[in-house]
This record gives sequence, structure tokens and C-alpha cells, in this order.
Amino acid sequence: AQKITQTQPGMFVQEKEAVTLDCTYDTSDQSYGLFWYKQPSSGEMIFLIYQGSYDEQNATEGRYSLNFQKARKSANLVISASQLGDSAMYFCAMREGMDSSYKLIFGSGTRLLVRP
Amino acid sequence: DVKVTQSSRYLVKRTGEKVFLECVQDMDHENMFWYRQDPGLGLRLIYFSYDVKMKEKGDIPEGYSVSREKKERFSLILESASTNQTSMYLCASSLDEGANQPQHFGDGTRLSIL
Repeated sequence: AQKITQTQPGMFVQEKEAVTLDCTYDTSDQSYGLFWYKQPSSGEMIFLIYQGSYDEQNATEGRYSLNFQKARKSANLVISASQLGDSAMYFCAMREGMDSSYKLIFGSGTRLLVRP
Repeated sequence: DVKVTQSSRYLVKRTGEKVFLECVQDMDHENMFWYRQDPGLGLRLIYFSYDVKMKEKGDIPEGYSVSREKKERFSLILESASTNQTSMYLCASSLDEGANQPQHFGDGTRLSIL
């Protein structure tokens, strides 16, 4: 079974509007972390936001926020006031457990296109 | 700012060649990773290293090996390149100071095996 599921291969959003990118995860660990990355067409992976499984509040970082629903095992990324530069691939990733390797498991990604 | 540098953005090699992909980070990170990225599959971990001379297999290590002789450098080696290894390769590094540390990525190497 997939550990990280991103069900939206592609999405459109109008400039200045908000958009939600879905991510669900599967783990039996109590301690885990969730990350979102952005990958523009140039290829580099840019870290956006992190949510720990024990964090009581949803993470926020500028225009990015994470809608963390632990019982539903979802960690959706919300981008407010979309900009043309937000057009990119977005990946959700999970780190499981407390081992020292800090390996990440990635979803298949969502391609976001912001329309002017 | 963390800088992870991959030696080539684009590389074309022939089947059967031995291929070296180099990655250098400048922030004294303990952990380093090699991923390949294919459309629809996201990023898949090939190998990672948590210390000099230490390495562990990821999810898809077959056909690859790695070398970490110095802390800042992590090399991915395709022992005998095959066409199914045509892909985007991404190197990353992270601090070993807590599970909330993000991985920082290089710009990637688009490798084509002919």
C-alpha cells in the first residue's frame, strides 16, 4: 500500500485565490513528520513547511499552511493568495519513526498551474 | 543558506558505461541521500549515508553503489549503465539534529542512457 497518497495529479487555480493540495498518509508509528516540497520546472526541490505528529497546532509559513487532521491521516497544503510563481510540482513526504536515518517517503506529486 | 551542488545538470552516457554522479554540500550535514525521480512515481530513495564511510540501501539500490569518503561529498555510481536508469537524480542532505530537519536538495542531474 502507498504510504503517501496525492490524489490530484494536476490542478488549476486563479491568481490571488487560495488552493488546497491533498495529501493522505499511512503509518502505524505514533511519531512521524510530514513535509511539503515545491519543485519548479527548473528542477530544484524547495522545502516549504513541516508538521510533526505531536504538534498541536497546524504549521504555517507565510502563505503556506498545513491543514493537519491526524485522525483522518491527512496533511493538506493550503496556499493562500496564489501567485504565478507558485506554478510547480508539489510533493508531500513523510518521515516515520524515531530512527536516526531520517529517510523520507514521497508521494507522486501534484502539478499546480496558476492562471493569470 | 544550505548549498547542495550536483556536478552536472545534464549527462548523456552509453549502455554499459560506469557513471559517476557527484554531490557536495557545504553545511557540514551528517546525512546525505540519493533519489531518482520518474514521472508519476515521485522520488524514490536509492541510498543514503549518515556518516563518513557509512551507507545504507534505500528502496531501489539495485544497479547502484555509493561512496562517502568525506563528509561533504556523496557519490552515486552506476556500475554498468542501462537504459532503464535514464532518470532525474536528486541529491539531498540534512542535519542529524532532530526529526524535523528538512532535507535540502541539489538542482538535480538529468541522466540519459543511450
